[in-house]
Amino acid sequence: DVVMTQSPLSLPVTLGQPASISCRSSQSLVHSDGNTYLHWFQQRPGQSPRRLIYKISNRDSGVPDRFSGSGSGTDFTLKISGVEAEDVGIYYCMQGAHWPYTFGQGTKLEIK
Amino acid sequence: EVQLVESGGGLVQPGGSLRLSCAASGFTFSNYWMTWVRQTPEKGLEWVANTHPGGGQRSHVDSVRGRFTISRDNARNSLYLQMNSLRVEDTAIYYCARDPFYGALDQWGQGTLVVVSS
Repeated sequence: DVVMTQSPLSLPVTLGQPASISCRSSQSLVHSDGNTYLHWFQQRPGQSPRRLIYKISNRDSGVPDRFSGSGSGTDFTLKISGVEAEDVGIYYCMQGAHWPYTFGQGTKLEIK
Repeated sequence: EVQLVESGGGLVQPGGSLRLSCAASGFTFSNYWMTWVRQTPEKGLEWVANTHPGGGQRSHVDSVRGRFTISRDNARNSLYLQMNSLRVEDTAIYYCARDPFYGALDQWGQGTLVVVSS
């Protein structure tokens, strides 16, 4: 199975400051169709996960533009340009290039 | 509005069975792959199983293969997970989710809690 490794696992951030989460995969996530199926999810306290970004960098409708995704191959990053209080929660990367699809361990973002 | 509503969770003894259901509304259910994902504090999120829009193709993760079976009824807009031979380590919140392509889960239910304990 493809192992997804996130860092850091805990991310204390001051309001208004930027934040960055790394996600590395044990194999390339480039699918045979040429697409890279790396997605990011946010889970706020007490809520179900919610998709933020799909295929590396495509932001979902309603997701603030302070969220951005980048990367290629096996190395990916989620960035928040200026953290707001509503961003508190756990962030997961997930790969859909190889079965079984696998998630990272999650990064817990909190306000310092 | 898209809605996914899970039901069927509860407390069951090791070796027992449960059937989870997920009622879908607000979209054309038969057009989408559907998925079960589970979550535990220890292991985080784990993909459990998914099924093709027509129901003919199904995949299950190794840890549940042979014990769990995903199925769907497109006439009833419903997704199911039959769980047999339950183990303590199957204790989790189980979510159903819509998959437009390759794991890009764009809609999730609220989850249903399964506790396997004697």
